[in-house]
Amino acid sequence: QQQVKQSPQSLIVQKGGISIINCAYENTAFDYFPWYQQFPGKGPALLIAIRPDVSEKKEGRFTISFNKSAKQFSLHIMDSQPGDSATYFCAASIFSGTYKYIFGTGTRLKVLA
Amino acid sequence: NAGVTQTPKFQVLKTGQSMTLQCAQDMNHNSMYWYRQDPGMGLRLIYYSASEGTTDKGEVPNGYNVSRLNKREFSLRLESAAPSQTSVYFCASSETGTGETLHFGNGTRLTVT
Repeated sequence: QQQVKQSPQSLIVQKGGISIINCAYENTAFDYFPWYQQFPGKGPALLIAIRPDVSEKKEGRFTISFNKSAKQFSLHIMDSQPGDSATYFCAASIFSGTYKYIFGTGTRLKVLA
Repeated sequence: NAGVTQTPKFQVLKTGQSMTLQCAQDMNHNSMYWYRQDPGMGLRLIYYSASEGTTDKGEVPNGYNVSRLNKREFSLRLESAAPSQTSVYFCASSETGTGETLHFGNGTRLTVT
């Protein structure tokens, strides 16, 4: 019940295309859904996040779509660029003394020039 | 302002050896976390500390111990290393109460032979 399932495992997109990564969760107590971006040799860094009271959040070329009834959320990267090539992790958090973050298994994105 | 600093960056251990991974943050955050990252498994929570003096188990605590030395420092100890503990270890911190952003270090790559 604590799992976050992420797909696809890897994704190749042409420059200018749309990258879509999907995540699903089971625990309805999760109340914060961030996406993290990780470049090789670095730690993950927060990209964008959403709370379940909104269905969509957009920041520049990055958009989170959230479907509370289906318990699914997705990351859309518009006009994908080679610099977006990285590993992306979705996560869900729950408060238990502090926020505990459960991560998806990651998606390795490659954007071809 | 260094953020989250992890030492060492790389380590090779023989089975049965012990070592301590060090983590320090300079953002005055209350909460700190240890994750391990393995291919296809994403980031899995080992231990976390909601505040100075408290620690709790995460998803995969077996074989590890932690110490929250003070507000800045949170160490992870492997008492008797096993090949299954070969992984990349990430320390992270967050400001309790916001549930907003996990700040990660750049990781320690550990190989146990």
